[in-house]
Amino acid sequence: GEDVEQSLFLSVREGDSSVINCTYTDSSSTYLYWYKQEPGAGLQLLTYIFSNMDMKQDQRLTVLLNKKDKHLSLRIADTQTGDSAIYFCAEIVLTGGGNKLTFGTGTQLKVEL
Amino acid sequence: DAMVIQNPRYQVTQFGKPVTLSCSQTLNHNVMYWYQQKSSQAPKLLFHYYDKDFNNEADTPDNFQSRRPNTSFCFLDIRSPGLGDAAMYLCATSPVGGPKNIQYFGAGTRLSVL
Repeated sequence: GEDVEQSLFLSVREGDSSVINCTYTDSSSTYLYWYKQEPGAGLQLLTYIFSNMDMKQDQRLTVLLNKKDKHLSLRIADTQTGDSAIYFCAEIVLTGGGNKLTFGTGTQLKVEL
Repeated sequence: DAMVIQNPRYQVTQFGKPVTLSCSQTLNHNVMYWYQQKSSQAPKLLFHYYDKDFNNEADTPDNFQSRRPNTSFCFLDIRSPGLGDAAMYLCATSPVGGPKNIQYFGAGTRLSVL
């Protein structure tokens, strides 16, 4: 099947903005998510957006959704070294037996001083 | 305060030796999931439980089994681990019909196969 695609790597300077992009596959997904994974750790939910919205802002995070193009982005303002991690977008498929997430390939964000 | 707890964090097993990974939750969620995440890859769903109902993904190898004795606990059994099963195994939970359909993840168990 089709993959949820992300660019593999992004490097930014501390204090700059980071933009991580994602192309998802299921136009019927009701929610789309961004998760953060630090080395050797589990997944931490950062933010999510409902499919009838085109933008959501949450402190330093801004999510943009273009449903026509099935494109999702995450902007991190004032990026800090603690933001260095892998970021996964995920789309949801609702089933009768519980929802299912399909994750993107992940973008490794490196923040340099 | 940990809500989804995975034990152990690191597990080493021998090729072909059965191994069990454990997940517990304090959230009282109906649904529990097991994901496999290989190095530099996205997490991949193996199976999930909706209460006591087991839902296997079509491409999950038979070598992987799961048990859910009660709401709080879920186990991942690997009957005969191969070298290709070395990965991070992530457990997650979600409430059925909960707001935003969020899944909550544990810290993972990293499995090494020697």
